Amino acid sequence: QKEVEQNSGPLSVPEGAIASLNCTYSDRGSQSFFWYRQYSGKSPELIMSIYSNGDKEDGRFTAQLNKASQYVSLLIRDSQPSDSATYLCAVNPPGSYKLIFGSGTRLLVRP
Amino acid sequence: KAGVTQTPRYLIKTRGQQVTLSCSPISGHRSVSWYQQTPGQGLQFLFEYFSETQRNKGNFPGRFSGRQFSNSRSEMNVSTLELGDSALYLCASSLSGSGEQYFGPGTRLTVT
Repeated sequence: QKEVEQNSGPLSVPEGAIASLNCTYSDRGSQSFFWYRQYSGKSPELIMSIYSNGDKEDGRFTAQLNKASQYVSLLIRDSQPSDSATYLCAVNPPGSYKLIFGSGTRLLVRP
Repeated sequence: KAGVTQTPRYLIKTRGQQVTLSCSPISGHRSVSWYQQTPGQGLQFLFEYFSETQRNKGNFPGRFSGRQFSNSRSEMNVSTLELGDSALYLCASSLSGSGEQYFGPGTRLTVT
């Protein structure tokens, strides 16, 4: 079992729709969770961090965390073609200073 | 505030050679982490430094090493390069290491 799992996609949504990206993790003691966006040929860009159960909203982005289910998700409202990228879920295992990344979900927003 | 910088941006090396990559973190950040990204393996953790001390190391052979200087700048070295070392090497900085990490633009290494 991979430590952080994501559906590789591509996830295709029409412009203006809500894109829902999901991630599961294996270490139940993990406390810190992050979503990064990576455009082709570029480095990952931090878009959301979440540490507590529930929802965290920032503009068009909402991160959701359910520690009991070991599940993190990212919702992108009013998706735009410029949101087309690979979205990486990252988890900080307990007692460590590293991030474990999922393989990423490729999102395509159709105009 | 300036972001994370990495030099060089691109490198082409021959098998058996060694290479040194450099990273300057965001001002005030004392933790620097290094990652390798390849199409097949994704983003994998190499090591993390804080105040010149390596606190975590990933599952990479001893050919991969690093260090951090007193100004928090960091270097990583790969000796006896192999074809499989071709990858994007990313440096990330953070305040403490366990929080939000911000990536530099990366160094694209090609081994021929």
